[in-house]
Amino acid sequence: AQSVSQHNHHVILSEAASLELGCNYSYGGTVNLFWYVQYPGQHLQLLLKYFSGDPLVKGIKGFEAEFIKSKFSFNLRKPSVQWSDTAEYFCAVGLSGTYKYIFGTGTRLKVLA
Amino acid sequence: DTGVSQNPRHKITKRGQNVTFRCDPISEHNRLYWYRQTLGQGPEFLTYFQNEAQLEKSRLLSDRFSAERPKGSFSTLEIQRTEQGDSAMYLCASSLDTATEAFFGQGTRLTVV
Repeated sequence: AQSVSQHNHHVILSEAASLELGCNYSYGGTVNLFWYVQYPGQHLQLLLKYFSGDPLVKGIKGFEAEFIKSKFSFNLRKPSVQWSDTAEYFCAVGLSGTYKYIFGTGTRLKVLA
Repeated sequence: DTGVSQNPRHKITKRGQNVTFRCDPISEHNRLYWYRQTLGQGPEFLTYFQNEAQLEKSRLLSDRFSAERPKGSFSTLEIQRTEQGDSAMYLCASSLDTATEAFFGQGTRLTVV
């Protein structure tokens, strides 16, 4: 069965530290890839997406992610986090030709001021 | 606000009662999705509509669950004879097509006591 793994469940960083959140999926076909963020008390919001083309995609608020097809990975990065990045981050995979997303379990990021 | 709207935001019900949630998608979006999210987990796919047609139901959706989208606009999700295990956040999302990302509502938090 298809699955998405986010290995870091809780991450605590100080402001200005660099961030990398891992995301791996198991599916051999073509995928669309997403990172969603959920700030406290708010709904899921799209950070960035990959459908095709350049495997390095840039999103909002200085986030970027790199799709490495050979590793089935789509890791999220930010060179310098801010206190306002405190949130839960979800990786999601959309399987080609389908309409549903498979989500990872999420990573709770806490940034200390 | 032109985003996905869900009502109510919170629902507390006694075990055995029926509940109904409503989702109003973004107006031009013909695809609508229901997901369920429990504590510590990512959203799990429940069902999907393309216009008024319900095209897929997850095995998570027992016979007590029914969803409708009668005119291809808003959707309702009904849970009959609620059980404590139904306690979760129920998320609605919509998209224009499979080539674009899904936009999520704020969810309805159901607590079954």
